[in-house]
Amino acid sequence: SYVLTQPPSVSVAPGKTARITCGGSDIGSKSVHWYQQKPGQAPVVVIYYDTDRPSGIPERFSGSNSGNTATLTISWVEAGDEADYYCHVWDSSRDHVIFGGGTRLTVL
Amino acid sequence: QGQLVASGGGVVQPGRSLRLSCAASGFTFSSYAMHWVRQSPGKGLEWVALVSFEGSKTYYADSMKGRFTISRDNSRTTLFLQMNSLRVEDTAVYFCAKVHSGYADPFDIWGPGTMVIVSS
Repeated sequence: SYVLTQPPSVSVAPGKTARITCGGSDIGSKSVHWYQQKPGQAPVVVIYYDTDRPSGIPERFSGSNSGNTATLTISWVEAGDEADYYCHVWDSSRDHVIFGGGTRLTVL
Repeated sequence: QGQLVASGGGVVQPGRSLRLSCAASGFTFSSYAMHWVRQSPGKGLEWVALVSFEGSKTYYADSMKGRFTISRDNSRTTLFLQMNSLRVEDTAVYFCAKVHSGYADPFDIWGPGTMVIVSS
């Protein structure tokens, strides 16, 4: 079955850039979506179709996807960005949704 | 924008059954595929099941197939998850979620989740 691999944690100082990766076999051929989840809340999509940003999501959030790695980049990180982040793809070979294991972003 | 509200969670003994509901409002429920996603305490998101917009097609995660049944009633704008033969490891918050359009699209609306605790 298809597997998405994320680092368990990423730490960054305020004002710096955080990069959260999502690894999968030939993930560049799939569409990747990213969610932010804060404690006790439902997830919220922050990037969809690799690079698109929903209305209301700051321009500081961006995405890329190529080869075997998709990346969520958060520029000028703020304390309010501290959360868990998950990548998501659709595995059309099995008609399954796949989530990455999640990455906890800590703002130092 | 749309809203989803899940209900039906609670404490249940191993081997018993539970039925979750998810009431939808603010969008044309019958036009969209719907999903259940769960999250065990302190763990990541785990996809559970998907039902097509008209209810004729269903898909399940391997660990839930045969025990869980996803269904919908478009006349009542409600999504369901029938969970049988529950196990301790099924303890989780269960979220219902709406897909933006096609199966490969992101989930653009999530409910707040309902907690299921399987314990003797």
